[in-house]
Amino acid sequence: GDSVTQMEGPVTLSEEAFLTINCTYTATGYPSLFWYVQYPGEGLQLLLKATKADDKGSNKGFEATYRKETTSFHLEKGSVQVSDSAVYFCALRAGSYQLTFGKGTKLSVIP
Amino acid sequence: GAGVSQSPSNKVTEKGKDVELRCDPISGHTALYWYRQSLGQGLEFLIYFQGNSAPDKSGLPSDRFSAERTGGSVSTLTIQRTQQEDSAVYLCASSSQPTNSYEQYFGPGTRLTVT
Repeated sequence: GDSVTQMEGPVTLSEEAFLTINCTYTATGYPSLFWYVQYPGEGLQLLLKATKADDKGSNKGFEATYRKETTSFHLEKGSVQVSDSAVYFCALRAGSYQLTFGKGTKLSVIP
Repeated sequence: GAGVSQSPSNKVTEKGKDVELRCDPISGHTALYWYRQSLGQGLEFLIYFQGNSAPDKSGLPSDRFSAERTGGSVSTLTIQRTQQEDSAVYLCASSSQPTNSYEQYFGPGTRLTVT
């Protein structure tokens, strides 16, 4: 079945550091790929998405590129801020309608 | 406009009791999903509704779980004879179309604690 594997946290970074959260997937067909973010005390929000190979999703300084050859969708940001502290979830939709999520990576950014 | 709303935000119940969780999707969204977020299992799909079609119940963990969607809008997730392992945050999401690329908008969730 479909699955998503993302790096386990927690991840702690200093402000302005570079962020990478790795995500790889297994899916039948051609999935759409997503990163969702959950800020403390809030619901899940879509951060960015990519619907086909080589697409790059971007939002709020975050980027992720759909790599079919490596079945990956790694999340990156060049300079993190304290306000980026949250839990990040990689997810896919392939054929069926529901999202399949990774287990989440908690990011803490310290001033 | 208004997002997905869920009620109650928190629910504490005794083992063996039944509970009902409510979801109001974004107006006009035809697709509605329930997920469960628990410490051990992460985010799991439970059930999916699309318009008047029969729901996809493939993610429901046991026959104690059921859901309905009235009038193509509001949905209720019912858990009968609750168990401690049912403790989790139950998330509802809706989307305007069910296809792969359409965003699912999530509600704030209902935190269920079974004592």
